[in-house]
Amino acid sequence: KQEVTQIPAALSVPEGENLVLNCSFTDSAIYNLQWFRQDPGKGLTSLLLIQSSQREQTSGRLNASLDKSSGRSTLYIAASQPGDSATYLCAVNNNDMRFGAGTRLTVKP
Amino acid sequence: DTAVSQTPKYLVTQMGNDKSIKCEQNLGHDTMYWYKQDSKKFLKIMFSYNNKELIINETVPNRFSPKSPDKAHLNLHINSLELGDSAVYFCASSQVDGSPLHFGNGTRLTVT
Repeated sequence: KQEVTQIPAALSVPEGENLVLNCSFTDSAIYNLQWFRQDPGKGLTSLLLIQSSQREQTSGRLNASLDKSSGRSTLYIAASQPGDSATYLCAVNNNDMRFGAGTRLTVKP
Repeated sequence: DTAVSQTPKYLVTQMGNDKSIKCEQNLGHDTMYWYKQDSKKFLKIMFSYNNKELIINETVPNRFSPKSPDKAHLNLHINSLELGDSAVYFCASSQVDGSPLHFGNGTRLTVT
């Protein structure tokens, strides 16, 4: 059964820093991996989707990488801003979506 | 023009009651899902429907029953609500395997 782990559970950084969020999964036979953002009391917003054949995806200041063989993905956020404060979830798709517990990010002005 | 919409946004009810949460998507997606997010923010899949066929059913109590009148709707009915059912429930949809999931904004259920 697929298990998804995200570390750290919480992260606090000053504005402007670059940061990396980590996601690991136990079963490498995946279709894709997706990173989401969740704001308090809100739904999930899809940030990046990486297909199993891809190694990375970029959107603006966000870059997600995928190393399927080692069961790892990272979400890199460049030049962080207070508006980036949210919980970031990774989800792994192999027949159904399995979510990590998320990393709660706080970017301090 | 919300893509995935859930109602109600908040639901407060007493133990033992029966309640439903509605979900509609206007994206033309083939598959719809229900997820439960517990107090620790851990998101777990409950059900998945593809063309009216239940294709995933996690170890969810049979008090929970998904109902899909058509491809654009997947409602969640809960019988005999218990305190432990309190959580945020998210509906989601996707086109086929490999495509991004789109989530609704969630329904916060509180059972007293």
